[in-house]
Amino acid sequence: RKEVEQDPGPFNVPEGATVAFNCTYSNSASQSFFWYRQDCRKEPKLLMSVYSSGNEDGRFTAQLNRASQYISLLIRDSKLSDSATYLCVVKWGGYQKVTFGTGTKLQVIP
Amino acid sequence: NAGVTQTPKFRVLKTGQSMTLLCAQDMNHEYMYWYRQDPGMGLRLIHYSVGEGTTAKGEVPDGYNVSRLKKQNFLLGLESAAPSQTSVYFCASSSLKQGAGYEQYFGPGTRLTVT
Repeated sequence: RKEVEQDPGPFNVPEGATVAFNCTYSNSASQSFFWYRQDCRKEPKLLMSVYSSGNEDGRFTAQLNRASQYISLLIRDSKLSDSATYLCVVKWGGYQKVTFGTGTKLQVIP
Repeated sequence: NAGVTQTPKFRVLKTGQSMTLLCAQDMNHEYMYWYRQDPGMGLRLIHYSVGEGTTAKGEVPDGYNVSRLKKQNFLLGLESAAPSQTSVYFCASSSLKQGAGYEQYFGPGTRLTVT
């Protein structure tokens, strides 16, 4: 079983739609959680951290469920510019102890 | 600030050839990392460094060597390239400063093909 699992997609959604991605992790010692965004043929960039109580940044909402060991990302009012691959990232120790998911591809359609 | 830069951006090697990938950051970050990204595999850590003069192995270190002679630079070497090392290589850096969070800043990547 992979340490961090994501549905690869692609998720094809119309502009304005709401879309949600889940990510499951297997290491119960995981401490911190993040969503990164990666555009095609570009480097990953931090989208948002995920806090235990859930957090929101504009149209983006991240949630953590430690009991079931998953995190989620909700995107409301999807824009064409949201088209990218979203990477789930789990930190389970020191700064180097990080596992990246393989990513979920989102395509927002006009 | 340029952030994290990588050279070269593209390279084609023949099996057995050697090369060095250069990563430079101007954010005075303590931590630096080398990852490779392959389809369906996600980013995997090759080597990392917690400061000038120190390096350590990551998840997939075989076939690679690294050096960090200066805080701002992190070099990744392939002594004898193999087709299995065809990949996209990303360098990243992060700060240890309290309150800096855990964001890793990535370079634009190097696309390496070994034939």
